[in-house]
Amino acid sequence: GEDVEQSLFLSVREGDSSVINCTYTDSSSTYLYWYKQEPGAGLQLLTYIFSNMDMKQDQRLTVLLNKKDKHLSLRIADTQTGDSAIYFCAESFAGYSSASKIIFGSGTRLSIRP
Amino acid sequence: KAGVTQTPRYLIKTRGQQVTLSCSPISGHRSVSWYQQTPGQGLQFLFEYFSETQRNKGNFPGRFSGRQFSNSRSEMNVSTLELGDSALYLCASSLGSGRNNEQFFGPGTRLTVL
Repeated sequence: GEDVEQSLFLSVREGDSSVINCTYTDSSSTYLYWYKQEPGAGLQLLTYIFSNMDMKQDQRLTVLLNKKDKHLSLRIADTQTGDSAIYFCAESFAGYSSASKIIFGSGTRLSIRP
Repeated sequence: KAGVTQTPRYLIKTRGQQVTLSCSPISGHRSVSWYQQTPGQGLQFLFEYFSETQRNKGNFPGRFSGRQFSNSRSEMNVSTLELGDSALYLCASSLGSGRNNEQFFGPGTRLTVL
């Protein structure tokens, strides 16, 4: 079945790195995504990784994918107060001309302490 | 380019009533997906419309329905509202084809059922 799991909370000190973890069950996923949701707002796509990649870096964000263990992580370097939000991991089963169904994890609430 | 817009942003209804939510996708996007977000269940996929046809459907009762118009705008309808339907309803648009169906989310409609 399709299931995506994340821990619910993470607290880090400002300036430290944050690592948010995610596990998924369906190995047929094509793309894996990280979304950010700030209070009262919709979801903002932060980054994504194609399932045949191991790593993707985008400025302060690093995504690591371990396909064997079905484990995805998002590292945020030099965490700032503006990074406080809920982070959702998601997997997509889209292919050419197929439905764009995305399964989301429960979200990890990242809080920053001074 | 304008983002995804959803109307209304907030809605209060009573049990037994019905409600219609609207979503206008990004210009050029042909796919619209709907999600329900609640504190207890997280983000759950409702359905996806592409070129006026429902292409994929989540596990929600028949009280939840939708449609898409020729200009790609979509509406979602919930009939015979229940207290448990109180949630943030998010709509996301995408091109709808191609391998990476990156979805862009609107700000959501917060529905409260009394």
